[in-house]
Amino acid sequence: EAQVTQNPRYLITVTGKKLTVTCSQNMNHEYMSWYRQDPGLGLRQIYYSMNVEVTDKGDVPEGYKVSRKEKRNFPLILESPSPNQTSLYFCASSRLPGLAGANSYNEQFFGPGTRLTVL
Amino acid sequence: AQSVSQHNHHVILSEAASLELGCNYSYGGTVNLFWYVQYPGQHLQLLLKYFSGDPLVKGIKGFEAEFIKSKFSFNLRKPSVQWSDTAEYFCAVNTRDAGKSTFGDGTTLTVKP
Repeated sequence: EAQVTQNPRYLITVTGKKLTVTCSQNMNHEYMSWYRQDPGLGLRQIYYSMNVEVTDKGDVPEGYKVSRKEKRNFPLILESPSPNQTSLYFCASSRLPGLAGANSYNEQFFGPGTRLTVL
Repeated sequence: AQSVSQHNHHVILSEAASLELGCNYSYGGTVNLFWYVQYPGQHLQLLLKYFSGDPLVKGIKGFEAEFIKSKFSFNLRKPSVQWSDTAEYFCAVNTRDAGKSTFGDGTTLTVKP
């Protein structure tokens, strides 16, 4: 079954304690992305990756790190979490956007979400 | 920088009413346009998408959207909503030549039985 998985699904932690949220996809997608969802703010892109070893900042990258050492995995790292990073996080993957031709499209497939609380 | 604006934050309708949710985007280049739906407690799912061709696109569950390039709009419509359409709806834009992806703030639709 084609899917994006995230772990953990729920996490409560304390300020300053490093954590990693894992994301894995089995669709051989080149593109992966992390979002946070906050009430009234919709989804905001944190980081994205267009292929292995290629990552770039989204709209709200401060306080986050990512790595893309393998095509299927795209972990999100919070080196020193703070309460303002309490949020619902989604990982997504898709075919690479911008490929030549009118048939290029990049519907994103989303993971189930990780609800993070930082005390 | 690209941006997406959804005009309605919360819409309340009775069953069988018609629905239109507004979405405008700003970006100077070529884009792909999407509507995603998030049912209560679930993750986002694709409702429909536009990347080229016929500007009127049809999605799942009777939804459709029309891309009007001159207005930078991609409004979502459904002729007759059902209670099961209660969800949050997000308009999104992906740029063709880069990886940036921008979502609107979302519209919460409540359909009363």
